[in-house]
Amino acid sequence: GIQVEQSPPDLILQEGANSTLRCNFSDSVNNLQWFHQNPWGQLINLFYIPSGTKQNGRLSATTVATERYSLLYISSSQTTDSGVYFCAATSSISSGSARQLTFGSGTQLTVLP
Amino acid sequence: GAGVSQTPSNKVTEKGKYVELRCDPISGHTALYWYRQSLGQGPEFLIYFQGTGAADDSGLPNDRFFAVRPEGSVSTLKIQRTERGDSAVYLCASRLAGGPYNEQFFGPGTRLTVL
Repeated sequence: GIQVEQSPPDLILQEGANSTLRCNFSDSVNNLQWFHQNPWGQLINLFYIPSGTKQNGRLSATTVATERYSLLYISSSQTTDSGVYFCAATSSISSGSARQLTFGSGTQLTVLP
Repeated sequence: GAGVSQTPSNKVTEKGKYVELRCDPISGHTALYWYRQSLGQGPEFLIYFQGTGAADDSGLPNDRFFAVRPEGSVSTLKIQRTERGDSAVYLCASRLAGGPYNEQFFGPGTRLTVL
């Protein structure tokens, strides 16, 4: 099945700094999502982005499907941005009708005041 | 509108007991998924329902795990003879099936602890 790798595994920033999180995937995809898992465990949808670029406030994401990677940009980080960021993808080849997500291991982001 | 809901939020049980975890998907979402998340890892797929039928149960770890969705809406994940290794957060997700749009939305999860 599809492999999803995220980097870096851990990231510590000062409030106000910018950051880039990376997600590499091994197959062509028909779904790619970025999530923020808050301290209570809730997965919050950030972007549905199998290709192209999207922006939402201080966050933006780009997926280059032909090169099999996606980037999540966080600008002017705030302490409330802390948590784990997950990338998850669905292979357009092997997932069949289920289209289940395969998750990366996540990036643990800590934003210091 | 309401998102995906799951109950209970926490469940503590003893080894060998039977548990049921409930998921109520977003209204109108015919595709429903169960995932399991162990500490420090990303969620892993367990089972997928399209309507009432389990269309893909390839992620269930063994035959102690079973899930149903009798009316095509609410789903129940059932675990028999629980083991300590079953301790994890069980997440439910739903998706609007049909067409090219595949975004999944997750519930808050049920934290299962097997003593």
